[in-house]
Order: sequence, then structure tokens, then C-alpha cells
Amino acid sequence: EVQLLESGGGLVKPGGSLRLSCAASGFTFSGYNMNWVRQAPGKGLEWVSSISSSSNYISYANSVRGRFTTSRHNTWNSLYLQMDSLRVEDTAVYYCVRRFGDYDSGRFDNWGPGTLVTVSS
Amino acid sequence: SYALTQPPSLSVAPGQTARITCVGNNIGSRSVHWYQQRPGQAPVVVMYYDSDRPSGILERFSGSISGNTATLIISGVEAGDEAAYYCQVWDSSSDHYVFGTGTKVTVL
Repeated sequence: EVQLLESGGGLVKPGGSLRLSCAASGFTFSGYNMNWVRQAPGKGLEWVSSISSSSNYISYANSVRGRFTTSRHNTWNSLYLQMDSLRVEDTAVYYCVRRFGDYDSGRFDNWGPGTLVTVSS
Repeated sequence: SYALTQPPSLSVAPGQTARITCVGNNIGSRSVHWYQQRPGQAPVVVMYYDSDRPSGILERFSGSISGNTATLIISGVEAGDEAAYYCQVWDSSSDHYVFGTGTKVTVL
């Protein structure tokens, strides 16, 4: 059974930093593109970042580019999101998500339960 | 940037059919996926590649696409279908994955 479990969320002040982790199990982690998707309280889903299976291609939403960094460690079956220069509007539940299928047509087929990041003074 | 527009809400009586629309420029040329998110839970994919159902998703769920509109159809709506539904595509011009604005389905 595919399992994704995020950790590292919490309360941080504007301008601060936080590092999220996602532990994957139940599948060959190194064979899949992985993503971060977030959801602000009471709002819709927003894709944040995508990283290819070998880390040779990483993309970001315009709203986080230059502030967030996505990485992965295939030996440890782990995905990371380093969030710097955090803003109030980054407050959201952050989901670790597996993509199944081709880059331009694949679907997000497995989601973690999410971890809440709150940016507030 | 590419946008996908959904009606914010939809109310349906039990046993009736819910049709959730997702409007985007030339969406028919893209692969559209649909997600169901029950309150307090992570999203779950309920339709992919416009009209394919993942294993475990009931035949009551179907999808169609025509022109600028993709539609998720839920037949014989039940109380357990009450949730928010999101469409999603990949936009080549921005290299972004894009979600629709979301539709909250209420079962009367």
C-alpha cells in the first residue's frame, strides 16, 4: 500500500524558514515524479512544486519560486520542501503527492494527509 | 496564466444526477483529472484522462469533455458524495499544474 506522510509543519513568523519532509513507502519511490500541493484554510488546491524521479528537473509555482526549494533523497525514500522568506499567504496545509503517468498528462494518484504551516506574527 | 473555472457550489437531491463543469480554454486538447475532497481529508482522484475511473471508484462516476468544458457526472447521488470536487490539467505554456476553482457539492 502506498503511504505518504508529511512532517515538519508548525507556526513560524513572517520572514522565517521551515523545512517539510515526506516519508514514502509501499512503492518504488525512485521511479516517480513527486509534488507538493497546498491548500490555504477554506480555499482551493494550489500546486507548489514538482521534482522528477532523478531530481534533474524541478519546477515551481510563480508564487513560491525563489523562496522554496524542493529536493529528494531516493535512498531514504524522502521528499523535502525548504521554505524560506515565508509570508502570511503561505499559510496552508501542504500535501506530499505522487504523480502517476507522463509529465504532461499524469494524475496525482496518491496524497499524504498533509501538514499545516501557519505563518503569523 | 491558464485558468480553470468551476461553479462554487451545487446542490443535488439524493438519487439525482450531479454535473460538475470545468471550463478552460481549449481544455479538450488536454488530459483532465478530477479529485474529490471530503471535509478534513486529503483529495482522492476519481476520474483521470477525461473519463477513466480508478479502481475502487464506482460506476456512478463518469466524465466527458467537449470544446472548452470538461464535466464530471455523478449519477444516483448519495450522501457520501458530499464533498468538494476539483478538476486539474497541466499547462504547457507555464509548465504548471493547474487546479480548477473547486465545486462544493451538497446533497439535500
